[in-house]
Amino acid sequence: DGGITQSPKYLFRKEGQNVTLSCEQNLNHDAMYWYRQDPGQGLRLIYYSQIVNDFQKGDIAEGYSVSREKKESFPLTVTSAQKNPTAFYLCASTLTGGYNEQFFGPGTRLTVL
Amino acid sequence: GENVEQHPSTLSVQEGDSAVIKCTYSDSASNYFPWYKQELGKRPQLIIDIRSNVGEKKDQRIAVTLNKTAKHFSLHITETQPEDSAVYFCAAQGNDMRFGAGTRLTVKP
Repeated sequence: DGGITQSPKYLFRKEGQNVTLSCEQNLNHDAMYWYRQDPGQGLRLIYYSQIVNDFQKGDIAEGYSVSREKKESFPLTVTSAQKNPTAFYLCASTLTGGYNEQFFGPGTRLTVL
Repeated sequence: GENVEQHPSTLSVQEGDSAVIKCTYSDSASNYFPWYKQELGKRPQLIIDIRSNVGEKKDQRIAVTLNKTAKHFSLHITETQPEDSAVYFCAAQGNDMRFGAGTRLTVKP
């Protein structure tokens, strides 16, 4: 299970607050991804980054922001502009080029009170 | 962009029976098709994958088939066991990875 970590495991936020979810990997992977998972739903792509200092919006980027200052780290900020942020957030990483498995972190469950 | 559809959304089988989950994709440039298993409260984990230059791949009780012309691929689990109960996701990779909505498989003892 090692290699990609997320913290915290559970996070509670009041409405109107920004919150940042951490994702770190020591797999030397180039690409990193953030997904949102709602109960009974699939994985929806929020943002992804294939190289340091560059990232692209996924299907549901509104209300979220990311940074990729280091290869190992890809933090996700859930802003107050995200109308329904309560969900399970999964970070993943992979090598770029060719056919490569995505490795997932353990996830962060965010609850807005 | 890529769009992946997965069916059925729920599947219940008796222990020992086979289970089949089907996915379709839209982007003909997609070239890698992994399947992930997610147990309750845990992270998705890769169980099998197939590349676009291969039509079928098997690993013990699990097999995947790919029809590039029709843009669909399927997961087959034979001799199902209760520990196979989980949510299964298909995915297709082109420029980025897109996942299906998932299939909740229940194997009844």
